[in-house]
Amino acid sequence: GAVVSQHPSRVICKSGTSVKIECRSLDFQATTMFWYRQFPKQSLMLMATSNEGSKATYEQGVEKDKFLINHASLTLSTLTVTSAHPEDSSFYICSARKGPGNTIYFGEGSWLTVV
Amino acid sequence: AQKVTQAQTEISVVEKEDVTLDCVYETRDTTYYLFWYKQPPSGELVFLIRRNSFDEQNEISGRYSWNFQKSTSSFNFTITASQVVDSAVYFCALSEGKEYGGATNKLIFGTGTLLAVQP
Repeated sequence: GAVVSQHPSRVICKSGTSVKIECRSLDFQATTMFWYRQFPKQSLMLMATSNEGSKATYEQGVEKDKFLINHASLTLSTLTVTSAHPEDSSFYICSARKGPGNTIYFGEGSWLTVV
Repeated sequence: AQKVTQAQTEISVVEKEDVTLDCVYETRDTTYYLFWYKQPPSGELVFLIRRNSFDEQNEISGRYSWNFQKSTSSFNFTITASQVVDSAVYFCALSEGKEYGGATNKLIFGTGTLLAVQP
């Protein structure tokens, strides 16, 4: 069964609005989660590392004020795309490490379409 | 610098053929982890295998097998007797760090190989 769960799986929002995507670790605690972005037919690019109880660490070129990450509990991280624009339309996917085997599991992903 | 190269962009085979997906990596770390994931059209990433840098044993799991060779920095994936359900994009990924704690666990992905298995 699923180890990491994301919600919603698909969302359509109007340009200028904000949308929140949730990532939950199921049956385990994840002090660190990761958010990736994937454009059609391209690879996954790490956006940020979500740290429970502290600020997220963003990769170079990712706007922290646009992609707000909150890791409020050991099982939940959220990504909020603020003031979304059509170019933010993409597939967003989170991951978490389920230790101690260092295997990294991914959520089902969230398709965001900004119209 | 860390890098993962999957030179094969697309591969098309006929059902029951064997197919090998290539993966070459670059890293300066002595401790690292290699992964293969399958991404079907629905989008989710399905974990297939994890291998650490100290374990060069090849692995076989059903129709899947992996050949890890540190000498050539390669971690190739072979599907034997391919099936239509194997059609997907396959990603090879690299993670650096220690086994317990202190690891960034950030994955560096290759560009993926689209495998199309024709009936």
